[in-house]
Amino acid sequence: KNEVEQSPQNLTAQEGEFITINCSYSVGISALHWLQQHPGGGIVSLFMLSSGKKKHGRLIATINIQEKHSSLHITASHPRDSAVYICAARRNTDKLIFGTGTRLQVFP
Amino acid sequence: DAGVTQSPTHLIKTRGQQVTLRCSPKSGHDTVSWYQQALGQGPQFIFQYYEEEERQRGNFPDRFSGHQFPNYSSELNVNALLLGDSALYLCASSIGVQETQYFGPGTRLLVL
Repeated sequence: KNEVEQSPQNLTAQEGEFITINCSYSVGISALHWLQQHPGGGIVSLFMLSSGKKKHGRLIATINIQEKHSSLHITASHPRDSAVYICAARRNTDKLIFGTGTRLQVFP
Repeated sequence: DAGVTQSPTHLIKTRGQQVTLRCSPKSGHDTVSWYQQALGQGPQFIFQYYEEEERQRGNFPDRFSGHQFPNYSSELNVNALLLGDSALYLCASSIGVQETQYFGPGTRLLVL
């Protein structure tokens, strides 16, 4: 079993839909990262959070430390949101452990 | 301000060869981490450099080694390449080991 699990693995949506990607982890962490990876490999860091909720534009990330669970929400999704979304848990030793990613496709 | 840069962008090697990948961190960043991402998988942590020393290491054999220079740039060296080393190699930089990491575009290595 992976230490960081994401669901779903693949997600398709119509433009405008509200999207939720989930991340569960089984290790002690100091922070959790949400990353976006576009075709070709470039990775962009979206959020780093250790408690509560963060919002940036149409993106919202939440984390529940007790339940070891985090969610990434995209409101009013757009085709340009199509990418792989990866959650990564920062261990207390500072090492990042990555989930396998959620491939999102948003159709017009 | 240039972000994290990596070179080369693509590389083809044959089994048994050695390869060196390079990473220049974002301006002001002093910590560099390297990751290997196989096709369809999430990145796997290789090691992290801070103050020119390897601070953390993932589950990779000694064939994988690195270096950090006084200007904080870093190299990843892989000896005796195997077919399974084919992957996207990502470098990420940060200010210290606790802060948000910024990723480079990656070097795509193909071992034939």
